[in-house]
Amino acid sequence: GAGVSQSPSNKVTEKGKDVELRCDPISGHTALYWYRQRLGQGLEFLIYFQGNSAPDKSGLPSDRFSAERTGESVSTLTIQRTQQEDSAVYLCASSLAPGQHYEQYFGPGTRLTVT
Amino acid sequence: AQSVTQPDIHITVSEGASLELRCNYSYGATPYLFWYVQSPGQGLQLLLKYFSGDTLVQGIKGFEAEFKRSQSSFNLRKPSVHWSDAAEYFCAVARGGGSQGNLIFGKGTKLSVKP
Repeated sequence: GAGVSQSPSNKVTEKGKDVELRCDPISGHTALYWYRQRLGQGLEFLIYFQGNSAPDKSGLPSDRFSAERTGESVSTLTIQRTQQEDSAVYLCASSLAPGQHYEQYFGPGTRLTVT
Repeated sequence: AQSVTQPDIHITVSEGASLELRCNYSYGATPYLFWYVQSPGQGLQLLLKYFSGDTLVQGIKGFEAEFKRSQSSFNLRKPSVHWSDAAEYFCAVARGGGSQGNLIFGKGTKLSVKP
């Protein structure tokens, strides 16, 4: 079946502009995670969605970052007033259910470059 | 706080040689540990995971890892490296204290394979 997909694959934006990144999880996966991978760094957790529960936003670096998810489907990560330090690869992952016992399947990522 | 350390940023091995990638974690209780591989332009793929039980776990592509509680380590090994193993490898621990399962990653080790 189809894996996790993300769009766009690459995004170049000017400092100060807003960007929206999209994630389509695997069908039937209730848990969805966003991570950020800066150059030479590991992945940093950003936000987690589980069904209709309130998302865990504890990893969002600033109030310029927000994310939404409609039910158990698509999620969008929005970065307002982008800064150069926002340049990174943004990875989305989904899992069948929440918790460490369930494998997270990762999408190919969106490479964001802020100029 | 939980953390993961991968001491080696870049390792080069000859094709056919054995490989060991190091991972040390910091976590108060029994950790849930993972190794992921990221090939160029690809998303992360799970190689193997440790939850409990046998401390030597087998994964895909001929990889194995050994959990050593006394050393807080979860090193990844492969007896004979293939050129296709060239990639970046990430060790991760699942965040505890809840059921979300979001992962804390090390900064990764880049593996180069020379013919």
